[in-house]
Amino acid sequence: KAGVTQTPRYLIKTRGQQVTLSCSPISGHRSVSWYQQTPGQGLQFLFEYFSETQRNKGNFPGRFSGRQFSNSRSEMNVSTLELGDSALYLCASSTDAGVSYEQYFGPGTRLTVT
Amino acid sequence: GEDVEQSLFLSVREGDSSVINCTYTDSSSTYLYWYKQEPGAGLQLLTYIFSNMDMKQDQRLTVLLNKKDKHLSLRIADTQTGDSAIYFCAETLPGNTGKLIFGQGTTLQVKP
Repeated sequence: KAGVTQTPRYLIKTRGQQVTLSCSPISGHRSVSWYQQTPGQGLQFLFEYFSETQRNKGNFPGRFSGRQFSNSRSEMNVSTLELGDSALYLCASSTDAGVSYEQYFGPGTRLTVT
Repeated sequence: GEDVEQSLFLSVREGDSSVINCTYTDSSSTYLYWYKQEPGAGLQLLTYIFSNMDMKQDQRLTVLLNKKDKHLSLRIADTQTGDSAIYFCAETLPGNTGKLIFGQGTTLQVKP
């Protein structure tokens, strides 16, 4: 099975712009979670989608949003970019067949805001 | 509250055992995980343990859970240079679907 894929892998944007990141989960996985990784804050949970619905949300401002499509692919959007949004954005997928929440991560998208 | 703590750095010699420690504060943790991150890469799931278990062994990896002390450890036997990476422990809480709560990561340096 192919792993979790994320596109693009690298992105450079300017303050005030918006950005959309894409995540394709492992085939058969219906849950997709997004995380932000920075040197200062570590790994922080953004949100989780299941069956096209946001099921859980972390403590991020409304500039961070996401969605999931019927094929379980997910996108996250960040509007009005700030310098502090520079980070590695990771998505993870799981089957959600039980409660173990084994999450398998993609390679991430490295976003740099200048 | 949700808090997972790890020591930041561990250095070992090739062939020795490594023990990476983690403490967590929420006693309702359901599952606890160990992930590995190599430079420029995403997170690789190494192993996980259900909260009602004390130990889990998987080849060179041994996970020990002391629920009373809220302490989790990962032992890597016969550590190799390829094991050099950052290791994260993480927990899930009941009802908090899809959310892993991570520690800050332990950098493991393996010297030849």
